[in-house]
Amino acid sequence: EAQVTQNPRYLITVTGKKLTVTCSQNMNHEYMSWYRQDPGLGLRQIYYSMNVEVTDKGDVPEGYKVSRKEKRNFPLILESPSPNQTSLYFCASSLPGTGDTQYFGPGTRLTVL
Amino acid sequence: AQKVTQAQTEISVVEKEDVTLDCVYETRDTTYYLFWYKQPPSGELVFLIRRNSFDEQNEISGRYSWNFQKSTSSFNFTITASQVVDSAVYFCALSEDPNFGNEKLTFGTGTRLTIIP
Repeated sequence: EAQVTQNPRYLITVTGKKLTVTCSQNMNHEYMSWYRQDPGLGLRQIYYSMNVEVTDKGDVPEGYKVSRKEKRNFPLILESPSPNQTSLYFCASSLPGTGDTQYFGPGTRLTVL
Repeated sequence: AQKVTQAQTEISVVEKEDVTLDCVYETRDTTYYLFWYKQPPSGELVFLIRRNSFDEQNEISGRYSWNFQKSTSSFNFTITASQVVDSAVYFCALSEDPNFGNEKLTFGTGTRLTIIP
């Protein structure tokens, strides 16, 4: 089954404790992206990747890092989480250059205390 | 800069009524793509439709239909004979010419639809 998976689905942590949210897709998509969803703001892009070792900032990259060492994986790293990073996070993937539909993972609900 | 406006924050209708969700977009590109996603209470994002800027044909899929009008920069979504399972938050999104690299989706703020049994 074609899918995007994220782990963990739910996470409660404390300020300053480094964490990683994993994202994996099995559709051989070159393009992957991270979004955060906040009430009243819709979804906003954090980082994206055009292919392995090619990443760039989206609209709200502060406080986040990403890496793309393999095509299927695109982890989101919060080196020192803060309460304003409490949010619902989505990973997405698609074929590049075609305006193709982006398929989203199930979401990770993160709470930073 | 691209922008998507969903002016209706919340809508409630009685089951079996028809309901239209509005979406207005702004872009300077001539090539772009429009999407609708559904987010049920469980939280995942479910893809509903993708439309490119050169295809203004309306589309119908079962009880769902979409009206794309470039003249008014709108891409409205109608649910006919609504059902309780349609209760969700619906997002409209825009992606500009992907030849520039980033396939970023610009989302509206969403419309929360509640179907009352």
